[in-house]
Order: sequence, then C-alpha cells, then structure tokens
Amino acid sequence: QKEVEQDPGPLSVPEGAIVSLNCTYSNSAFQYFMWYRQYSRKGPELLMYTYSSGNKEDGRFTAQVDKSSKYISLFIRDSQPSDSATYLCAMTATYSGGGADGLTFGKGTHLIIQP
Amino acid sequence: ETGVTQTPRHLVMGMTNKKSLKCEQHLGHNAMYWYKQSAKKPLELMFVYSLEERVENNSVPSRFSPECPNSSHLFLHLHTLQPEDSALYLCASSQGPGDTSTNEKLFFGSGTQLSVL
Repeated sequence: QKEVEQDPGPLSVPEGAIVSLNCTYSNSAFQYFMWYRQYSRKGPELLMYTYSSGNKEDGRFTAQVDKSSKYISLFIRDSQPSDSATYLCAMTATYSGGGADGLTFGKGTHLIIQP
Repeated sequence: ETGVTQTPRHLVMGMTNKKSLKCEQHLGHNAMYWYKQSAKKPLELMFVYSLEERVENNSVPSRFSPECPNSSHLFLHLHTLQPEDSALYLCASSQGPGDTSTNEKLFFGSGTQLSVL
C-alpha cells in the first residue's frame, strides 16, 4: 500500500462549482499537511498548510484534516478557470530541524475548471 | 530577481553527455533540495543540503552528483544518464534548521525539463 493515495484525475468541473480534492494516507505519524498548486511548466507553490486535525480557511480555499480517518481534503469555492492546475498533497511526521526532507507527496490531481 | 531560479529550463542530452543543472535562491534560506518529477509519479526527493552540508541522499544513482558551494546555489551534475532519467528536475529551498513551522515550507523553482536520448 502506497503511503499517500491521490486520484490523478483529470477532474473537470464548470466555473463557479465547489471543488473537493482528497488524499488518503497510511502513516498515522503524519502531523503536518500541505497542499501545493502546480501550474503547467511551473514548480509547485505552497497553497495551504495545516497542523494536526481540523479546518483552515484562506479566501476561497479550505483545508480539512481528519486524522482519525487518515484523510485530508482541499475545498475550492466559486472555482475559477485560473484554478486549473495540478494540486499535490504533501505530509510529514515531525520537524526534522533540517527542513522538509521528510515530506511525502501524493501524485497530484489535475483539475480543469471549464469557463 | 526573487524566489528560486533554475537554468536551463529545457535540456536535451545524449547518454554519453555531461551537463549541469543550476539553481539559485534569493530567499535567504539555509536548506536546498533536488526533486525529480516524473509523469504519473509522486515527487521524489533526491538530495537535501542544510547549511551547505548534504543531509540526505535518497539512494540516487551515482550518475547524479549534487554540489552546494554556498547556501544560495545548488548544482546537479549529470553524466551517462539513461532514457528513464528523463523528467522534470525541481530545485526547492526552505528556511532550514530551527524549530518553527516555516521549516517545512518548500519554495520551488520552475524546474528543468530533461530529455535523455
């Protein structure tokens, strides 16, 4: 079983829809959860960062972590064509002190927002 | 220039060539990374440097050789690569040693798209 499972898509939705992106994981030690957005021909950029269980909201984006189910989600409200990108989840167990060398990534979900 | 800059953006090389990828970060970070991104696969961590010392080498073949001359620059030297090494190579940086939440936040460059013929 892979450590982090993420449906690669593509996921295609109409503009204005609510988008739900998800990852499941198997390592119960993971405590720090991130979502990165990657546009075509660009590197990933950090979108959301959460610690442990709970919700975090930033504008149209909400990150949700359910550690009991080992399941994380990213919701995008009022989706825009500019949200079309690949979204990667990432997670790690502890601060290494030397940086993010412990990050485990999902494969990424390719999201398409249709105008 | 700001952020993390990678050159070249594209590289085509034969299996017998030697080439180098360059990364420069302008964020004042102390940790730098090389990742490999292949189609349909998760990002794979290759190397980590913290304060110019290599702290991780994830069983990467010796045909990939990293170099970190200072905390702002990172190189990946390539020689006798195989076609399966074709991928997007991403450089990233982070705050580095310490115990704040910023340490785990990576800032990526746009990558070098490598094709090995």
